[in-house]
Amino acid sequence: NAGVMQNPRHLVRRRGQEARLRCSPMKGHSHVYWYRQLPEEGLKFMVYLQKENIIDESGMPKERFSAEFPKEGPSILRIQQVVRGDSAAYFCASSPPGSSNNQPQHFGDGTRLSIL
Amino acid sequence: AQSVTQLGSHVSVSEGALVLLRCNYSSSVPPYLFWYVQYPNQGLQLLLKYTTGATLVKGINGFEAEFKKSETSFHLTKPSAHMSDAAEYFCAADGGYNKLIFGAGTRLAVHP
Repeated sequence: NAGVMQNPRHLVRRRGQEARLRCSPMKGHSHVYWYRQLPEEGLKFMVYLQKENIIDESGMPKERFSAEFPKEGPSILRIQQVVRGDSAAYFCASSPPGSSNNQPQHFGDGTRLSIL
Repeated sequence: AQSVTQLGSHVSVSEGALVLLRCNYSSSVPPYLFWYVQYPNQGLQLLLKYTTGATLVKGINGFEAEFKKSETSFHLTKPSAHMSDAAEYFCAADGGYNKLIFGAGTRLAVHP
């Protein structure tokens, strides 16, 4: 399956720990997006990256959250010193090079993060 | 700022009945519009999209949506519901710079 791969599917952390979420885009895709879905809500945009560049991080919390998409390897969403309010499903999506606004994004199955 | 509103967080229909899920967008400039479906514990799957041209858009699984600029709406319909259609449906609009703005979602239940 050459779809968007996210791991882990489920992640449990205690308050104060770090969470690392990984996303491998579809083959041939170079644009990666991260979204957060809180319970009973729609997805909220967090960040848009291309290889080695953050294009738009307007949806990222100012503290504790960071994202990268290195030249080699998956995109990483990192949450430091997690708090209960970080519990959510985090979805990654990807789209091909040269994507414009009308290109659909392909989504992974998400990482469900639970904070104890 | 662009926003997307989905009227009705829960919709319940009988198998074989018409499905109508409502979506309105806020932009004065019609954006590109999308409908996605999410099955439990899965990611989002694209049902259909509107970019330009024909205002009636046909998607997968028998769904279609009509873009109405005068009503700033993009409602999703299916003539005859199937049990397998039970899922959560999200309307989304492009928010510029490849960013998607999602509605809060509508959970569709289909009963025998």
